Amino acid sequence: EAQVTQNPRYLITVTGKKLTVTCSQNMNHEYMSWYRQDPGLGLRQIYYSMNVEVTDKGDVPEGYKVSRKEKRNFPLILESPSPNQTSLYFCASSTSPGQGRDYGYTFGSGTRLTVV
Amino acid sequence: SQQGEEDPQALSIQEGENATMNCSYKTSINNLQWYRQNSGRGLVHLILIRSNEREKHSGRLRVTLDTSKKSSSLLITASRAADTASYFCATDPNTGGFKTIFGAGTRLFVKA
Repeated sequence: EAQVTQNPRYLITVTGKKLTVTCSQNMNHEYMSWYRQDPGLGLRQIYYSMNVEVTDKGDVPEGYKVSRKEKRNFPLILESPSPNQTSLYFCASSTSPGQGRDYGYTFGSGTRLTVV
Repeated sequence: SQQGEEDPQALSIQEGENATMNCSYKTSINNLQWYRQNSGRGLVHLILIRSNEREKHSGRLRVTLDTSKKSSSLLITASRAADTASYFCATDPNTGGFKTIFGAGTRLFVKA
């Protein structure tokens, strides 16, 4: 089954304790992206990656890191989480946008993170 | 920055009625997409319309795009209780990069 798999689904952590949220896709997609969703703000893009070793900042990258060493994986790293990073996080992947073909993002099920 | 803004924020209709949601955006775009999200779950892609298209259909969905007004609408015909969800528009700004920007969404409630 074509899917984007995020882990964990739920995470409660303490301020300052480094954590990683994993994201893996099995569709050979070039493009991957991380979003956070907060009430009333919709989805805001954190980082995206056009392909292996190619990453770029979205609208709210502060406090986050990403890496794209393999095409299928795009982990989100919070080096020193703070309470304002409490949110619902989504990973998404797609065939490369802008190549003249229809596309749409496939989203993971989400990771609900609480930082206390 | 929030590129797309949906209107209304919330919509409640009876089963069988049509539901119309609107999206406005600020900059020129390559395309506009609509997504559905059931409560707290991942978004599901519904339809993509390119900047050179004016209307597109998919089953009970009809999307229009007016680039002169920088707006789009999503029409769901003959709505069902299962259509209850949040609907988001997403744009790929024509800025040379590929940053898809989502709006805050319209919450649709279809009463059986």
